[in-house]
Amino acid sequence: QVQLQESGPGLVKPSGTLSLTCVVSGDSISSSNWWSWIRQPPGKGLEWIGEIYHSGSTNYNPSLKSRVTISLDKSKNHFSLKLSSVTAADTAVYFCARRGYSYGYCFDNWGQGTLVTVSS
Amino acid sequence: EIVLTQSPGTLSLSPGERATLSCRASQSVSSTYLAWYQQKPGQAHRLLIYGASNRATGIPDRFSGSGSGTDFTLTIARLEPEDFAVYYCQQYGSSPQTFGQGTKVDIK
Repeated sequence: QVQLQESGPGLVKPSGTLSLTCVVSGDSISSSNWWSWIRQPPGKGLEWIGEIYHSGSTNYNPSLKSRVTISLDKSKNHFSLKLSSVTAADTAVYFCARRGYSYGYCFDNWGQGTLVTVSS
Repeated sequence: EIVLTQSPGTLSLSPGERATLSCRASQSVSSTYLAWYQQKPGQAHRLLIYGASNRATGIPDRFSGSGSGTDFTLTIARLEPEDFAVYYCQQYGSSPQTFGQGTKVDIK
């Protein structure tokens, strides 16, 4: 059973950098799947942030591309998100998810999400 | 980017009733790349339907997906108590991948 678990600070100061990690169990980061970050601001819809493949190849949402870095650590079987120059608009529940080849590369496994608030 | 519009925003129904959820795209979406998810409070999102009409493993056959082009539908044939939740459609054939804003199915 594949499980993903997000972790990181729940509070980030404006202009700072948001940093989150997603630990994967039940699958290898080196498998033929994409590893993604998605967010949901309070009362709003889901927004795809970006993704990474085990080769290190990344894809980012153009709306966030200038501020986003996604990386992975094969030795720890986890991947990470960094979002720089945050503002209150970046307050959201952040989810990590697997985009799996078994289902044509839709999101077949999700973490439960972690709330990150941007405030001084 | 492709904008997905879900309707209605909220659907109030009783257990045993049929639920019909709509997802309309701002431009054509390949049927191969349209998915539906279920979200319940405190739980991870659950993949229900992929490729517009294919049920994911373990999904009951009361859930069905249909549609093509710009109009897609999720149907729950007979609502069970555990089906009251929020449902999202998503397209993953065009970058950036996008989601609908969700339809909440609640108990009437």
